Amino acid sequence: DQQVKQNSPSLSVQEGRISILNCDYTNSMFDYFLWYKKYPAEGPTFLISISSIKDKNEDGRFTVFLNKSAKHLSLHIVPSQPGDSAVYFCAALPSAGGTSYGKLTFGQGTILTVHP
Amino acid sequence: DGGITQSPKYLFRKEGQNVTLSCEQNLNHDAMYWYRQDPGQGLRLIYYSQIVNDFQKGDIAEGYSVSREKKESFPLTVTSAQKNPTAFYLCASMGTSSYEQYFGPGTRLTVT
Repeated sequence: DQQVKQNSPSLSVQEGRISILNCDYTNSMFDYFLWYKKYPAEGPTFLISISSIKDKNEDGRFTVFLNKSAKHLSLHIVPSQPGDSAVYFCAALPSAGGTSYGKLTFGQGTILTVHP
Repeated sequence: DGGITQSPKYLFRKEGQNVTLSCEQNLNHDAMYWYRQDPGQGLRLIYYSQIVNDFQKGDIAEGYSVSREKKESFPLTVTSAQKNPTAFYLCASMGTSSYEQYFGPGTRLTVT
């Protein structure tokens, strides 16, 4: 049962344009969401996060939007750069506390390719 | 500088052998995690530990074992009972000030 889904395995974008990566979740207990970027044969690096009390969080070229009613979040990268080419994972956390503390559930990932 | 180290980067073993993957962190984080990644899939949680001498099974713990005797170290043993051990293994840690998990560089295990 895939509780966090990234339905687009890949996305190709021209340099300078916007990249939009999407993520859907099914578990209403998730209340904190993170995006990670991963290069092949390396560990993921944290990009940006959002709490369920917000609907938007921005950090430089990266903005995450959360639509709780639709159980949907998206990562916008503007403008896209060739160095952004990587696999992007969204991840979700349940409400803090208890044995589930810190127990991330990841989506399958979306391969982003930014062409010069 | 602070971070998470995993060694070795590549590991080869024969089927039927147990193998232990190392994970060390100097971030002073209480919580540590082990994930595996298979091609085309996301990261799946194997085991996690919120504090020394305590750990919990994740979603795919069968065939794996862990120990947490020191705060800095969280080794993962892949036993011969794990049916598909060939994968990319990632260790992570998390502090108490945020929900951001910091990942190590990973170990690619190949069992033939």
